[in-house]
Amino acid sequence: GAGVSQSPRYKVTKRGQDVALRCDPISGHVSLYWYRQALGQGPEFLTYFNYEAQQDKSGLPNDRFSAERPEGSISTLTIQRTEQRDSAMYRCASSARDTGYGYTFGSGTRLTVV
Amino acid sequence: QQPVQSPQAVILREGEDAVINCSSSKALYSVHWYRQKHGEAPVFLMILLKGGEQKGHEKISASFNEKKQQSSLYLTASQLSYSGTYFCGTVTSNTGKLIFGQGTTLQVKP
Repeated sequence: GAGVSQSPRYKVTKRGQDVALRCDPISGHVSLYWYRQALGQGPEFLTYFNYEAQQDKSGLPNDRFSAERPEGSISTLTIQRTEQRDSAMYRCASSARDTGYGYTFGSGTRLTVV
Repeated sequence: QQPVQSPQAVILREGEDAVINCSSSKALYSVHWYRQKHGEAPVFLMILLKGGEQKGHEKISASFNEKKQQSSLYLTASQLSYSGTYFCGTVTSNTGKLIFGQGTTLQVKP
């Protein structure tokens, strides 16, 4: 597509429920990144993929968070047993490759856990 | 390790210049600069690569001092549209993991 598409734009969920956030990167972009951004702060790295391979997941806060990109295109970030502290803007970005290229960010998914 | 940006905030009049600094405690492979307006996604401005190559906008320039592990973003003859929060991001290994600074808020007034 022309840009990075994320869905849903807004998600309100009850504490303890699982949520899946979707990212559709720019067509042909090798690298896909997940970040979390609190209000007034810089994006916080979660994980990234080259093609379908997860290269680095050191930023995932705990084992309730997981991500996949099974066919090297669309990616899903899953949060199990959500907690109120998971409430944030989750942003996906893609780039042509993981070194030497800028990122294009999606509009994000605003997750609210009540 | 998160890079440190300075200043935290800047207020300018149209036409004035600004410099935003980004400093890392680790050796840098590359530095990215992004601008984010309120309620929007960060937008890529520029990347500076180890070895001196730059890719980015014509009206915005930046420097990259590899020895000092620092980068500076230069905004000249500022326009109202330059207002927003500027983030630097640093890559400190060959894995491509980009870590963002805390941001510098720039406000340009008429």
